[in-house]
Amino acid sequence: AQSVTQLDSHVSVSEGTPVLLRCNYSSSYSPSLFWYVQHPNKGLQLLLKYTSAATLVKGINGFEAEFKKSETSFHLTKPSAHMSDAAEYFCVVSDQWDTGGFKTIFGAGTRLFVKA
Amino acid sequence: ETGVTQSPTHLIKTRGQQVTLRCSSQSGHNTVSWYQQALGQGPQFIFQYYREEENGRGNFPPRFSGLQFPNYSSELNVNALELDDSALYLCASSSGLAGETDTQYFGPGTRLTVL
Repeated sequence: AQSVTQLDSHVSVSEGTPVLLRCNYSSSYSPSLFWYVQHPNKGLQLLLKYTSAATLVKGINGFEAEFKKSETSFHLTKPSAHMSDAAEYFCVVSDQWDTGGFKTIFGAGTRLFVKA
Repeated sequence: ETGVTQSPTHLIKTRGQQVTLRCSSQSGHNTVSWYQQALGQGPQFIFQYYREEENGRGNFPPRFSGLQFPNYSSELNVNALELDDSALYLCASSSGLAGETDTQYFGPGTRLTVL
């Protein structure tokens, strides 16, 4: 069965310093992996998606994530945090049903705080 | 190209009542999924519809049901509301294009409060 573990419920960084949000996953198949961001009172926005084309995935707003199969990890990074990055971040794994549809499992989320 | 829209934005119901939430998928998308997001938690998958058929279901009781219409819009119905049903309900749509079928675009959600 698939699962997603976000290793930190809260991360606090200073503006201009690097961001690291950690995610481990478990899946029986070759999953698709995603990172989504949720700003307060707003919907979920797709940051990036891993399929199998490249292990380093670049997303929007300067975020990127590296897929490491041996470590079953998909950590999200950004070289320099901005105040506008403060939000909730979700790591997501998607696996296919036998019927051809897909099931999406969300991690519990990591709240990113950015200090001025 | 319009994004995913949901209505209503907020809703207050009492225990035992029934509720219907609506979702219009993004233009060109034929798959709709529904999620429940309780306060402080990640979204939980309820079910998915593809071309008007249920195409997968999470661990939710039968009182959670849905429909998808020929224009690919969708409804989520919840009967016999319980206090624990209070949550943000999210709708997401995705296209049928190869390699993109599981890339979902989310609506802003409907905040349901059950008193």
